[in-house]
Amino acid sequence: QVQLQESGPGLVKPSETLSLTCNVSGSSIRTYYWSWIRQTPGKGLEWIGHIYYTGRTNYNPSLRSRVTISLDSSQNQFSLKLNAVTAADTAIYYCARDDTTGLFDYWGQGTLVTVSS
Amino acid sequence: DIQLTQSPSFLSASVGDRVTFTCRASQGIRRFLAWYQQKPGKAPRLLISSASNLQSGVPSRFSGSGSGTEFTLTITSLQPEDFATYYCQQLNTFPWTFGQGTKVEIK
Repeated sequence: QVQLQESGPGLVKPSETLSLTCNVSGSSIRTYYWSWIRQTPGKGLEWIGHIYYTGRTNYNPSLRSRVTISLDSSQNQFSLKLNAVTAADTAIYYCARDDTTGLFDYWGQGTLVTVSS
Repeated sequence: DIQLTQSPSFLSASVGDRVTFTCRASQGIRRFLAWYQQKPGKAPRLLISSASNLQSGVPSRFSGSGSGTEFTLTITSLQPEDFATYYCQQLNTFPWTFGQGTKVEIK
């Protein structure tokens, strides 16, 4: 059974870096792409970017200048870093398996990250 | 970016009703469209890929159709567990984008 679990701070100060990790079980991280997606009441669901185990990444141009997604295959996990956050980055952040075509077939439960001083 | 516009935003219906809602793309995306269901406090669940391919375990009362710029999701005989928000997503062009959702509420 494929399971994804996000972890990381729930509160980040403005201008600092948001860091989240997604632990993957039941699926080798050396297959598929692995995505981060966020959800806000105002903008809805927004794809942030994804990574393949080779290190190949694609990012949403709207966030590309501030985002880094990395992967640790030895730990079967991948991570998100979003720099210089503002209140607009307050959202529920999901990690998801991308079946290589852009379909998100497995999701983590999501983690709320609030940007506030 | 490809914009996806879902209509209606809200839909009030009763158990047993047949409901249909629409997703329109700002440019042609062939059949590279998926539908997800999201319940409060949960992650989205993939229902349909390639506009009309039902995922394993999804009840047959769900169906999708369309190509190009206009797509529909139909639920025949709405069940209590179907009250949720439904999102479309395009997989044709980076960045992947989602519609704003259609919330199905109990009448």
